Amino acid sequence: GQQVMQIPQYQHVQEGEDFTTYCNSSTTLSNIQWYKQRPGGHPVFLIQLVKSGEVKKQKRLTFQFGEAKKNSSLHITATQTTDVGTYFCAGVNTGGFKTIFGAGTRLFVKA
Amino acid sequence: NAGVTQTPKFQVLKTGQSMTLQCAQDMNHNSMYWYRQDPGMGLRLIYYSASEGTTDKGEVPNGYNVSRLNKREFSLRLESAAPSQTSVYFCASSVERVGIYNEQFFGPGTRLTVL
Repeated sequence: GQQVMQIPQYQHVQEGEDFTTYCNSSTTLSNIQWYKQRPGGHPVFLIQLVKSGEVKKQKRLTFQFGEAKKNSSLHITATQTTDVGTYFCAGVNTGGFKTIFGAGTRLFVKA
Repeated sequence: NAGVTQTPKFQVLKTGQSMTLQCAQDMNHNSMYWYRQDPGMGLRLIYYSASEGTTDKGEVPNGYNVSRLNKREFSLRLESAAPSQTSVYFCASSVERVGIYNEQFFGPGTRLTVL
């Protein structure tokens, strides 16, 4: 069945360093979503990418969708302590009938 | 707008007990979902309801039942709780299940422990 793999599982960074998490699907995706979950909280929708090669920015966060629509990345520039949490990608398969979440990347930021 | 609400926030059960987790949304969304979240395993879909009156199994439906009571409410029932069902349960909703308007809005979660 469709799988969405996310790496790394954990990342420890010093405040001010950059951070990237990667998401890879075994099948072509219709669209991909990114969510953030703060410790003890619930997932919160960040963004959705639909087009092949799409790049979107939200302040220090940059989201990319691969040309083949099978992979995606989230890059955070100059991390802050408020960035701590787990970042999930969620791939929607072609046809839009199923959303599969990656296992998430947990980001730790040391001040 | 309360968004997605869940009750209870915490629950401790003994093996074999039953309980129902409640979920309601006030965003007039068509689709609703139940997930469980275990450490290192992300979110796994238990059941979903694409629209009022329909429910379907997700990845891990065994041991659970659901009811889409109306457009607003979607409940999850554990008939005979087992320790393997210790988890955090999230309810979510979206405008639609198919298409690009399927970003999901999550409730605060229910932390369930089965002894």
